Amino acid sequence: GQQVMQIPQYQHVQEGEDFTTYCNSSTTLSNIQWYKQRPGGHPVFLIQLVKSGEVKKQKRLTFQFGEAKKNSSLHITATQTTDVGTYFCPLNAGGTSYGKLTFGQGTILTVHP
Amino acid sequence: DGGITQSPKYLFRKEGQNVTLSCEQNLNHDAMYWYRQDPGQGLRLIYYSQIVNDFQKGDIAEGYSVSREKKESFPLTVTSAQKNPTAFYLCASSRRDQTLREQYFGPGTRLTVT
Repeated sequence: GQQVMQIPQYQHVQEGEDFTTYCNSSTTLSNIQWYKQRPGGHPVFLIQLVKSGEVKKQKRLTFQFGEAKKNSSLHITATQTTDVGTYFCPLNAGGTSYGKLTFGQGTILTVHP
Repeated sequence: DGGITQSPKYLFRKEGQNVTLSCEQNLNHDAMYWYRQDPGQGLRLIYYSQIVNDFQKGDIAEGYSVSREKKESFPLTVTSAQKNPTAFYLCASSRRDQTLREQYFGPGTRLTVT
């Protein structure tokens, strides 16, 4: 079945360093969403990418959707301690179950001040 | 304020007891979801409902039951048949009528069963 692999599983950075996490799918995706979960909190929607090659920015965050729509990345420039958390790119089931998301383990980001 | 409420935030139960977790939303969303999260892990889907009076099993439905009698409410019962019920339970909702179906999550309920 469809799977999305997210790498790395863990990332430790010094405050001010950049950070990138990648999602790779074995099949073509119709779209991809990104969520962030702060420690002890609940996931919060960040963005959805739909078009091949799409790039979207939110302040220091840059999201990309691959040309083949099989991979995506989230890049954070000059990390801050507020960026700490787990970043998820869940798989959208599609079809009659469109909207049903399958979350992997995500990437856990630690930012050292 | 629109959003999703889950209560209580912390819940303690003895083994062998059923317990029902509350989830209410006032976002007028058709779809609702229940997830379980264990420490350091991702979210696993327990049940989801795309419309009132209908719901489907997710990936780990065994030992759980749900009902969807009202659009606003999607309670989850953790039964005594669930072998490892201690976890963080998250409820979410989303729209059904458009391509962007971002999920809005409640604050979660941390259930401890001893």
